[in-house]
Amino acid sequence: KQEVTQIPAALSVPEGENLVLNCSFTDSAIYNLQWFRQDPGKGLTSLLLIQSSQREQTSGRLNASLDKSSGRSTLYIAASQPGDSATYLCAGGAGGGADGLTFGKGTHLIIQP
Amino acid sequence: DTAVSQTPKYLVTQMGNDKSIKCEQNLGHDTMYWYKQDSKKFLKIMFSYNNKELIINETVPNRFSPKSPDKAHLNLHINSLELGDSAVYFCASSLPNGIQYFGAGTRLSVL
Repeated sequence: KQEVTQIPAALSVPEGENLVLNCSFTDSAIYNLQWFRQDPGKGLTSLLLIQSSQREQTSGRLNASLDKSSGRSTLYIAASQPGDSATYLCAGGAGGGADGLTFGKGTHLIIQP
Repeated sequence: DTAVSQTPKYLVTQMGNDKSIKCEQNLGHDTMYWYKQDSKKFLKIMFSYNNKELIINETVPNRFSPKSPDKAHLNLHINSLELGDSAVYFCASSLPNGIQYFGAGTRLSVL
């Protein structure tokens, strides 16, 4: 059974810094990995999806990597801004699209102005 | 237009009542899901539906029953509500192997 762990649980950094959020998973047979952001009281917004055959995906200031052999994914945020403050969730997909995602507990990120 | 919409946004009810949460997606996706986010903000899959067939059903009490009248809708019906059912319930949809798109959530409070 897939388990997803995110470290750290919370992170506070000054505006402008580059930062890395970490995600680890136990089952290397992961089908895909998705990063989300959740703002307080809101739903989830998909940031990046990495298929199992891919090593990384980039969108603007965000870059996500996937290393199946080590069971790790990272989300790199460049030049952080106060608007990046949110909870970031990592989730692994197990099967051919019809399976649900297994989520980590998230990293609560605060960017200090 | 909202891609995945849920109603109601808030639901407050008494123990023992029966309630439903509705979900609709206008993305043309084949698969829809229900997730539960507990008080510690941990998200867990409850159900998924692919072309009106239940694909997975985690260890969810049978008081919870998903109902899909068509590919664009997946409703969640809950019987005999309990205090522990209080949570935020999220609907989502996706193409096979694709990005999952989430609704804004329904915050259920059982008193």
